[in-house]
Amino acid sequence: GAGVSQSPSNKVTEKGKDVELRCDPISGHTALYWYRQSLGQGLEFLIYFQGNSAPDKSGLPSDRFSAERTGGSVSTLTIQRTQQEDSAVYLCASSLEVEDGYTFGSGTRLTVV
Amino acid sequence: QKEVEQNSGPLSVPEGAIASLNCTYSDRGSQSFFWYRQYSGKSPELIMFIYSNGDKEDGRFTAQLNKASQYVSLLIRDSQPSDSATYLCAAYSGSARQLTFGSGTQLTVLP
Repeated sequence: GAGVSQSPSNKVTEKGKDVELRCDPISGHTALYWYRQSLGQGLEFLIYFQGNSAPDKSGLPSDRFSAERTGGSVSTLTIQRTQQEDSAVYLCASSLEVEDGYTFGSGTRLTVV
Repeated sequence: QKEVEQNSGPLSVPEGAIASLNCTYSDRGSQSFFWYRQYSGKSPELIMFIYSNGDKEDGRFTAQLNKASQYVSLLIRDSQPSDSATYLCAAYSGSARQLTFGSGTQLTVLP
């Protein structure tokens, strides 16, 4: 597609429920990143996929968070047993070559009530 | 720990003035540098990147890189109220395979 597409744009969920956030990167982009941004805060790295290599999961805050990328394209970030502190905007970005910078999607605003 | 530091601001400048945003980085292996603009409630948008020492100009924006001093700056000439946003500095190091972001500087251009 023309840009990085994320869905849903907004998600309200009850504490304890599982949620899935989707990212469709720019066609041909081999690198895909997930970040989290809490209100008024900077970007927090979560996970990085590059081609067929094992993902870099070093930023995932707990084992409730997981992500997969199918067929080197679409990625899903799953948060199990959501907590109120998981409320944030979840941003996905993709790049052809990371040294050329990322293109971000419009994000998913997650609210845990 | 590899870091990118920015003055969080807020930085206020009058309309028509030059806004100067600064960033320092700790990893001497950093190869390329990026400035993203983030409007409130929106996602970051890449506005400038620079690889080589010196200045790079694009319209009203000039990125400056000094690798010896490990700093990057962004100058916005003839600032407009529409430039009011948070500006994120980021650095790429081949060893990290991802960008390291600063926490951002909030810029307000006063009409």
